[in-house]
Amino acid sequence: ETGVTQTPRHLVMGMTNKKSLKCEQHLGHNAMYWYKQSAKKPLELMFVYSLEERVENNSVPSRFSPECPNSSHLFLHLHTLQPEDSALYLCASSSAIYNEQFFGPGTRLTVL
Amino acid sequence: AQKVTQAQTEISVVEKEDVTLDCVYETRDTTYYLFWYKQPPSGELVFLIRRNSFDEQNEISGRYSWNFQKSTSSFNFTITASQVVDSAVYFCALFNYQLIWGAGTKLIIKP
Repeated sequence: ETGVTQTPRHLVMGMTNKKSLKCEQHLGHNAMYWYKQSAKKPLELMFVYSLEERVENNSVPSRFSPECPNSSHLFLHLHTLQPEDSALYLCASSSAIYNEQFFGPGTRLTVL
Repeated sequence: AQKVTQAQTEISVVEKEDVTLDCVYETRDTTYYLFWYKQPPSGELVFLIRRNSFDEQNEISGRYSWNFQKSTSSFNFTITASQVVDSAVYFCALFNYQLIWGAGTKLIIKP
């Protein structure tokens, strides 16, 4: 595998489910990011990790919980989501915080 | 306040035409970075270019060129002889202390 991978690519969940999104980067980068992209809205930066420490949390609801166990992996744990949380969730990594980012293909999430 | 404005929501041109995507930014700082990314229909954002605020040299990469003008706070992107594969949403972004994204411009290239 090369670059940034995300699994699953598509996810449908009910509002009471618990699920996790996984991101893995094979680039040797030190920073990782979660973004939310909704239709007709700007790209929203959710979380930023640098050297496995969370450095930014942009007022994201607590039903989204990130985890960065090491510099290559990033998770987004989902719990009790709302239909308005349906979106494309993108993961990215960069060599240092806020250098050019390399993105994964995204997870298309639908909350019923 | 920092802001990135991509005023063109959607542009549609016929293949082989040249097209320019506008990006205007606001920042009070003298040190910052500007980026362009491409998001094709597949969804994955692709990095195109990074420019720091001290480097006003224009950049050309094949059919792509970027015009950075601090005097007008603009970092415009031109595609020469556009192709259908250039159809995508293009994002401009600004970084200093935090990363600010523009809303994106959807570019449609018709055959």
